[in-house]
Amino acid sequence: QVTLKESGPVLVKPTETLTLTCTVSGFSLSNARMGVSWIRQPPGKALEWLAHIFSNDEKSYSTSLKSRLTISKDTSKSQVVLTMTNMDPVDTATYYCARIRYFDWIPFDYWGQGTLVTVSS
Amino acid sequence: QTVVTQEPSLTVSPGGTVTLTCASSTGAVTSGYYPNWFQQKPGQAPRALIYSTSNKHSWTPARFSGSLLGGKAALTLSGVQPEDEAEYYCLLYYGGAQLVFGGGTKLTVL
Repeated sequence: QVTLKESGPVLVKPTETLTLTCTVSGFSLSNARMGVSWIRQPPGKALEWLAHIFSNDEKSYSTSLKSRLTISKDTSKSQVVLTMTNMDPVDTATYYCARIRYFDWIPFDYWGQGTLVTVSS
Repeated sequence: QTVVTQEPSLTVSPGGTVTLTCASSTGAVTSGYYPNWFQQKPGQAPRALIYSTSNKHSWTPARFSGSLLGGKAALTLSGVQPEDEAEYYCLLYYGGAQLVFGGGTKLTVL
């Protein structure tokens, strides 16, 4: 059974750095066919892809947010971590992690439940 | 900046058929964009429906189908059920591992 679960702070202050963790089970981050993405959704708005990381440690970032994002993984802990610097109230959103089957390019077949992050002083 | 455009809202009667579309600001959508479709109900995470234009996941109901139509990706629901009322998002792949979601279509079953 494939599951993903996001964890991190509920509230961050403007200019702070956000660190989110995605813990996966039912598949391995060392599996050559798998990767994990982060996606966010501001309240009442559309989904936005942020970044992904593959088993070979190849990473890709949204061009509009690239300067603020870092994605990494700890295979032994089955965790993928996303950091986003210089948080602003417009970054208030539900942040999701989702699996990518990149060998046959099937993105986001499984999603976490999401975690709502509010940016406010 | 690349923009993916969907109809903001559509309404369909129960048992009817409706087609949602997904257009790219870069031009015609082809299979090389690997169009994906997701369904999201209020308070829930999105659920994958269609990948690579027309392929269904094992859990995707048969009434959902994906295609290319007039330079756009399309999602057709045939024999719409009340539980199909939801927001639907398309996703396109732009190479360089860049992924862009559409703005979503709110489907009302009325």
